[in-house]
Amino acid sequence: GAVVSQHPSWVICKSGTSVKIECRSLDFQATTMFWYRQFPKQSLMLMATSNEGSKATYEQGVEKDKFLINHASLTLSTLTVTSAHPEDSSFYICSALVGFVSYEQYFGPGTRLTVT
Amino acid sequence: GQQLNQSPQSMFIQEGEDVSMNCTSSSIFNTWLWYKQDPGEGPVLLIALYKAGELTSNGRLTAQFGITRKDSFLNISASIPSDVGIYFCAAQTQTGSYQLTFGKGTKLSVIP
Repeated sequence: GAVVSQHPSWVICKSGTSVKIECRSLDFQATTMFWYRQFPKQSLMLMATSNEGSKATYEQGVEKDKFLINHASLTLSTLTVTSAHPEDSSFYICSALVGFVSYEQYFGPGTRLTVT
Repeated sequence: GQQLNQSPQSMFIQEGEDVSMNCTSSSIFNTWLWYKQDPGEGPVLLIALYKAGELTSNGRLTAQFGITRKDSFLNISASIPSDVGIYFCAAQTQTGSYQLTFGKGTKLSVIP
């Protein structure tokens, strides 16, 4: 159990366009999902916490108007990178909070975004 | 803010050797987790620890939650080539958000 999928696995887009990344919990319901960004050879950086049916909570320094998060159902959260620029190129990973023993985060496979 | 100091940053070992890595913090956490990340993939949960002093195994992996709640270690016994990857410690404070604080990772290379 606790399988999290992401789509697409990689995407290339032109500067100024918007890109939507989907994060789905496949075999469980997730009221809370998280979005991370990871630069090469670095650790994961939390961008925002996404709660089903409510507005996402963004970490300091993350532009909420640029990184739009929607968690409209218990199995789907989306991250839309608006007006993308080359500096937005990165590896974006989502996770879902699962309450098996306590509460653990299970991660998706990530989405590689390249903005040209 | 909360930080996790993970060491070593990288290590090269011979196949069959045992490996040990650890994470320390100046803050107290309620849960420690260890993840492995392969290139181009998301982290995979290896072991989760919930109580101070807890020692948990998952196959050749063993991890412990430090008694002070400020540290954890991960041991891998009899390493094999597929153990190659980046291992991250992560810690969680159960304040309602369940956010994770990550270490910077330990890059493991196994020489056949």
